[in-house]
Amino acid sequence: EVRLVESGGGLVQPGGSLRLSCAASGFTFTTYYMNWVRQAPGKGLEWVANIKQDGSEEYYLDSVKGRFTISRDNTQDSLFLQMNSLRAEDTAVYYCARGEDYDDPGDYWGQGTLVTVSS
Amino acid sequence: QSVLTQPPSASGTPGQRVTISCSGSSSNIGSNTVIWYQQLPGTAPKLLIYGTNQRPSGVPDRFSGSRSGTSASLAISGLQSEDEADYYCAAWDDSLNGPVFGGGTKLTVL
Repeated sequence: EVRLVESGGGLVQPGGSLRLSCAASGFTFTTYYMNWVRQAPGKGLEWVANIKQDGSEEYYLDSVKGRFTISRDNTQDSLFLQMNSLRAEDTAVYYCARGEDYDDPGDYWGQGTLVTVSS
Repeated sequence: QSVLTQPPSASGTPGQRVTISCSGSSSNIGSNTVIWYQQLPGTAPKLLIYGTNQRPSGVPDRFSGSRSGTSASLAISGLQSEDEADYYCAAWDDSLNGPVFGGGTKLTVL
C-alpha cells in the first residue's frame, strides 16, 4: 500500500524557516518524481515544487523560487521541503504527492501538514 | 486567481448526471493531458481521472473525463450522496513550466 506521511509543520513567524519531511513507503521511491502541493485554508490547490527521481532536476512555483528548496534522500525514501523567508501567504496545508513524470502533480497524496506563518 | 477556470459550485439529485467544466488555454489544456481530483471534506485529494479520460483502478466508471480544444469536462453519472465533494482539474502549463490547477468546484447532492 502506497503511504506518504508528512511532518514538520507548525507555527512560524514571518521571515522564519521551516523544514517539511515526507516519509514514503509501499512503492519504489527511486522510480517516481515527487511533488509538494499546498492548499491555503478554504482555498484551492497550488503546486509548489517537484524533483526528479535522482534529484538532478527541480521545478518551482515562481513565488517560492529562491526561498524554498526541494530535496530527497533516496536511501531513506524521504522527501523534504526547506522553506525560508516565510510569508503570511505561505500559510497552507502542504501535501507530499507522488508523480509518474515531471508533468504529474500526483497520483497518491499524503494527509498533509499545516504550516501557519503569523506573528 | 487560478490559471484554470472552474465553476465554484454544481449540484444534482441522486441518479442524475452532472458535468463540471474546466477552462484553460493553449499552453495547458490545449496541449497537455488533464487530471481530475476529488477531495472529500477534511481529506487529501484523490486521483479520479488522468490522461484526460483514463480512470485509475478502483474509480467507478460513473466518472468520465473529456476535452475539447482548451476546455475539459468531468462527468458524473448516476450521482450518489457520497459524490458530494470538491473537484479540481489540473494540467501542465508549458508557459509557467509547472502544473496548474482549477479553483475547484463544490458538488452538492441535493
